[in-house]
Amino acid sequence: DAKTTQPPSMDCAEGRAANLPCNHSTISGNEYVYWYRQIHSQGPQYIIHGLKNNETNEMASLIITEDRKSSTLILPHATLRDTAVYYCIVRVADLPPGNTGKLIFGQGTTLQVKP
Amino acid sequence: EAQVTQNPRYLITVTGKKLTVTCSQNMNHEYMSWYRQDPGLGLRQIYYSMNVEVTDKGDVPEGYKVSRKEKRNFPLILESPSPNQTSLYFCASSLGQGSYEQYFGPGTRLTVT
Repeated sequence: DAKTTQPPSMDCAEGRAANLPCNHSTISGNEYVYWYRQIHSQGPQYIIHGLKNNETNEMASLIITEDRKSSTLILPHATLRDTAVYYCIVRVADLPPGNTGKLIFGQGTTLQVKP
Repeated sequence: EAQVTQNPRYLITVTGKKLTVTCSQNMNHEYMSWYRQDPGLGLRQIYYSMNVEVTDKGDVPEGYKVSRKEKRNFPLILESPSPNQTSLYFCASSLGQGSYEQYFGPGTRLTVT
């Protein structure tokens, strides 16, 4: 699985858009970008994923650069409840037989949403 | 509501006293997994299960056992807990091991004295 690099921390004002970057310069053609978040000591929560195209769901938008070497998670109107550690994960979708299926969480970005 | 439940949520125990942390999912998922989370070490996989009666070791299986007798349940067993197993434990499930979305339980905070 490709390695990802994220800034350790970011601040965002409540009501503003939070843009969380992720570098994955060694990503392979068949690897997806996934985003999860973990609110303090709770179980990680899936947010969104994508391969090439930009994606949007009720929680967030995912912008993937054309060369796929980086991506940005956008929370359009951050609230205090969005304060969490955000993890960018790169992984193939069709895992080979015998793969453990584990998600590899790096250090993530701690997003602090401030009033 | 689709969910993964864990019990207990908090547990303080003593060295050597056997314990079981239960995990149950109501989504008919085939794949289930246990992680532990420790400061500075992130989430590490303990055991996983591809389906009923199919389990295998993850990265840190020492001191743990699991079983998968039913699809919905995947208990984590500590036969003789030690202080180095003090941690925050998460159970997760998904349709398959490669599914894009894994559902995590709320966590079990275990302290072994």
